[in-house]
Amino acid sequence: SQQGEEDPQALSIQEGENATMNCSYKTSINNLQWYRQNSGRGLVHLILIRSNEREKHSGRLRVTLDTSKKSSSLLITASRAADTASYFCATDDAGGTSYGKLTFGQGTILTVHP
Amino acid sequence: DTEVTQTPKHLVMGMTNKKSLKCEQHMGHRAMYWYKQKAKKPPELMFVYSYEKLSINESVPSRFSPECPNSSLLNLHLHALQPEDSALYLCASSQDPLADVKETQYFGPGTRLLVL
Repeated sequence: SQQGEEDPQALSIQEGENATMNCSYKTSINNLQWYRQNSGRGLVHLILIRSNEREKHSGRLRVTLDTSKKSSSLLITASRAADTASYFCATDDAGGTSYGKLTFGQGTILTVHP
Repeated sequence: DTEVTQTPKHLVMGMTNKKSLKCEQHMGHRAMYWYKQKAKKPPELMFVYSYEKLSINESVPSRFSPECPNSSLLNLHLHALQPEDSALYLCASSQDPLADVKETQYFGPGTRLLVL
């Protein structure tokens, strides 16, 4: 079974609309992070939410975490064409000994049409 | 300086060639990572260096050989690669590999590798 599954796999919206992406995971975690990747480039860190937090905001981003359901969501409000990218959640295993290891979800490809 | 740099940006090599990928960061981070990413897939961890020592090798074939000459530099030496090794190779760094709670990783732009 895979840590960090995301849905939807692809999302297409119009500029100005909100985009919501979901991530599910299977083990206990210390924190969950969201990253953005523009086509064929490096990942950019967006936001980190700790396991004892339920919601976090950063600009137009809102992240929620439900540890009882082992799930997280990323909401991008008032989307822009520049938000077009792949979005990945990443978790670290709270019970693991492989320090430094993040496990990435499969990602959501977001396309925002002007 | 919050940047991780990688060279080259693109690399084409034959199956008998030897090449190296380079990664550099000047943020004082003590953990550095190599990831491999195929198209439309998430990054897959290959190696982790912690305080210049190899701490994680995710069962990567020996044709990939990592090296960490100092705390700012990370190399990935390539030899006798296969066409299926063609991918985007990403380097990343993070501040403290021994922290109980893992923090943000900073990624470089990647090296697009094509093996012919």
